[in-house]
Amino acid sequence: EAGVTQFPSHSVIEKGQTVTLRCDPISGHDNLYWYRRVMGKEIKFLLHFVKESKQDESGMPNNRFLAERTGGTYSTLKVQPAELEDSGVYFCASSQHFEAFFGQGTRLTVV
Amino acid sequence: GDSVTQMEGPVTLSEEACLTINCTYTATGYPSLFWYVQYPGEGLQLLLKATKADDKGSNKGFEATYRKETTSFHLEKGSVQVSDSAVYFCALSDLGTNAGKSTFGDGTTLTVKP
Repeated sequence: EAGVTQFPSHSVIEKGQTVTLRCDPISGHDNLYWYRRVMGKEIKFLLHFVKESKQDESGMPNNRFLAERTGGTYSTLKVQPAELEDSGVYFCASSQHFEAFFGQGTRLTVV
Repeated sequence: GDSVTQMEGPVTLSEEACLTINCTYTATGYPSLFWYVQYPGEGLQLLLKATKADDKGSNKGFEATYRKETTSFHLEKGSVQVSDSAVYFCALSDLGTNAGKSTFGDGTTLTVKP
């Protein structure tokens, strides 16, 4: 069974540009989460989808971040325009019941 | 709100040494506790978990006991190997509200030298 897949694995963009991160959850998992780890600190929750609906987006830092999950399958996280402080590792996780399965993460560097 | 405090790293040990990574938490409810591991170049993997007080989670020689009285969940291993070199994250999740939404600590980087 395929795990949670994230694309790209690395992205380097200039300040002011737009970047879109993608997450493919484990097939059949209704719950999808986005997290990020900035500056080697703690992994922070960004938001939670149940199918295509946003259940909790309390961790989204500001309106430059837009997450979507059309059709309740894969999800995208767009940062527009990117700022230097957005650099970090963005993790996606999916779950159906108790255990959450994480992807490898996307390392975003804004220069 | 909920929070997790982990022992600061990095930690460097020789092979076969004993490992303890401290983790304490604050939570309003009765959370489940987890240790995740991230090996170089890989994603986060669940290492072990405990869902109620006095439960002991164990996997790959690692153990952690849910101590409600001290609000702790310290990770231990009696004899580390080079292959244990990774970043370890302590986390909690309140199953009563949102099963997959977790609060993480800062992570502790472990390097094991031959």
